[in-house]
Amino acid sequence: AQSVTQLDSHVSVSEGTPVLLRCNYSSSYSPSLFWYVQHPNKGLQLLLKYTSAATLVKGINGFEAEFKKSETSFHLTKPSAHMSDAAEYFCVVKQAGTALIFGKGTTLSVSS
Amino acid sequence: NAGVTQTPKFRVLKTGQSMTLLCAQDMNHEYMYWYRQDPGMGLRLIHYSVGEGTTAKGKVPDGYNVSRLKKQNFLLGLESAAPSQTSVYFCASSSGQGGSFEYEQYFGPGTRLTVT
Repeated sequence: AQSVTQLDSHVSVSEGTPVLLRCNYSSSYSPSLFWYVQHPNKGLQLLLKYTSAATLVKGINGFEAEFKKSETSFHLTKPSAHMSDAAEYFCVVKQAGTALIFGKGTTLSVSS
Repeated sequence: NAGVTQTPKFRVLKTGQSMTLLCAQDMNHEYMYWYRQDPGMGLRLIHYSVGEGTTAKGKVPDGYNVSRLKKQNFLLGLESAAPSQTSVYFCASSSGQGGSFEYEQYFGPGTRLTVT
């Protein structure tokens, strides 16, 4: 069975510093992996997705993630945080024929 | 093009009352989903539908029923609400799920339900 673990429930950074949100997954087959973002009192928006093409995936708003099969990881990064990046981030795994499996979320706080 | 819409946005129920949450999508998507979001739990799938007239159970279906009478609408019903069903409910839709498994799910803005 597939599962996903977000290693940090809360990450705090200063504006202009790098962001790293960590995600490990477990899957019997080659998975599809996603990062979604949820701003306060809003729905979920897709940031980026990995679907067995390039291992380094670029998303919206300057975010990117690298798929590392040997480490079963799909960490989300951004070189320079902005105040508007403060939100909750979900790592998600999907296999063919199944629904999405969500991690428990990481809350990103950005201070000025 | 409104995407995925949900009604109502907020609702307060007393224990034992019933209600129906409506999800509508205008993207002609085949697949629709209902999730609940609870603090520290991420989103968990309640029920889903792979096409008009079909429904299937997700991970946490107990206490909920669904119907997909029209392709664009997916209804979530609570027959006898319980405090444990206090949550934020999200509807989503996607164009497919089968062999090409990268289909993106589009989410509605959510319904905040409180059961007292």
